[in-house]
Amino acid sequence: KAGVTQTPRYLIKTRGQQVTLSCSPISGHRSVSWYQQTPGQGLQFLFEYFSETQRNKGNFPGRFSGRQFSNSRSEMNVSTLELGDSALYLCASSVDGGPPPGNTIYFGEGSWLTVV
Amino acid sequence: AQSVTQLGSHVSVSEGALVLLRCNYSSSVPPYLFWYVQYPNQGLQLLLKYTSAATLVKGINGFEAEFKKSETSFHLTKPSAHMSDAAEYFCAVSARGDTGRRALTFGSGTRLQVQP
Repeated sequence: KAGVTQTPRYLIKTRGQQVTLSCSPISGHRSVSWYQQTPGQGLQFLFEYFSETQRNKGNFPGRFSGRQFSNSRSEMNVSTLELGDSALYLCASSVDGGPPPGNTIYFGEGSWLTVV
Repeated sequence: AQSVTQLGSHVSVSEGALVLLRCNYSSSVPPYLFWYVQYPNQGLQLLLKYTSAATLVKGINGFEAEFKKSETSFHLTKPSAHMSDAAEYFCAVSARGDTGRRALTFGSGTRLQVQP
């Protein structure tokens, strides 16, 4: 069974540009969440999507957005990139985002974004 | 709000020695707790999870953790460290946000070094 797949793995963008990251969840998983990891702030929750609807959101500015498609694949977008957006962006999936143990969250390898 | 605190940002042990990584939680309700491991340039891999079924939880790679309500702790241990255990370890709690939906809240991480 394939795990959570994220693309691209590495990318470099310039300040002011926008970026789109893609995530394919584990087959059968309908909940997709995104997390940002930085040395200064650690791991922080961005948002969660289920059935193409955002149903949970962390404390990030509106420049961070996402969407989910009918096949549960998800994309996140960051507009007007800032230097501080340089981070590892991790996608995670679970069956339906409900409580454990039935909904263990599994993570992908992440997308490394560098903003210059 | 539910949270976790990891004591010690860096831990160094000799190969074959006991590994002890500390995690304390703050929660007014029974928590769902997790340990994840992150190897260099990789995503997060689930080591083990506590979901109230048993206080001693066994995970992968010989790791285990004991849930102690009286101490609000969920420390991670391994009897004998191996060089391949060198990584960063994150304790996390599945917490409900303002929307009532769950997301993982992570500790700041502990980097484990294993000396030959």
